[in-house]
Amino acid sequence: SQQGEEDPQALSIQEGENATMNCSYKTSINNLQWYRQNSGRGLVHLILIRSNEREKHSGRLRVTLDTSKKSSSLLITASRAADTASYFCATDRGNKLVFGAGTILRVKS
Amino acid sequence: NAGVTQTPKFQVLKTGQSMTLQCAQDMNHNSMYWYRQDPGMGLRLIYYSASEGTTDKGEVPNGYNVSRLNKREFSLRLESAAPSQTSVYFCASCDETDTQYFGPGTRLTVL
Repeated sequence: SQQGEEDPQALSIQEGENATMNCSYKTSINNLQWYRQNSGRGLVHLILIRSNEREKHSGRLRVTLDTSKKSSSLLITASRAADTASYFCATDRGNKLVFGAGTILRVKS
Repeated sequence: NAGVTQTPKFQVLKTGQSMTLQCAQDMNHNSMYWYRQDPGMGLRLIYYSASEGTTDKGEVPNGYNVSRLNKREFSLRLESAAPSQTSVYFCASCDETDTQYFGPGTRLTVL
């Protein structure tokens, strides 16, 4: 069973716009992570936010975590065509990660 | 630093054949993982190894076996392949900050 569920399933925006993806989960977590997957490639770690953190930034990425609502969001600002990829949230349960089904982001130039 | 490497990149099997997927990491990580990814789905954990000499089942272990040969290597074996095992298989290792590093994947087709 998948712990995290991303919303929307697919998102199409113009270059320069912001992209927001959401993730909901069901049980308590140690941390929540976001990964990117370019077509046909392995996943690449983007950012990790721990359960006692509420917001974290990394370059053009901003992640928020609301443990009371069991949800997280990933914001990509000033998107670029190179941001086109699938984005997955993953929740940490002990020493295992449980992944959601992902959001497919398409950035049109 | 090669990171996580996987072989082979592609494989076609007939139903009932066996094969081993190889994975190695050069980052001195203790934990290693095998996932499968099916179309439209996220990754599902098959097996993992928290340290050399230990292995544990994940969400979808049926039809697979693993071996943690040493700290660097973690192999996944299909003893009798079935069409339902057609998938993309990813190996990963994990550092002390809980960040996972993924290999490029093995695309397996079982006819």
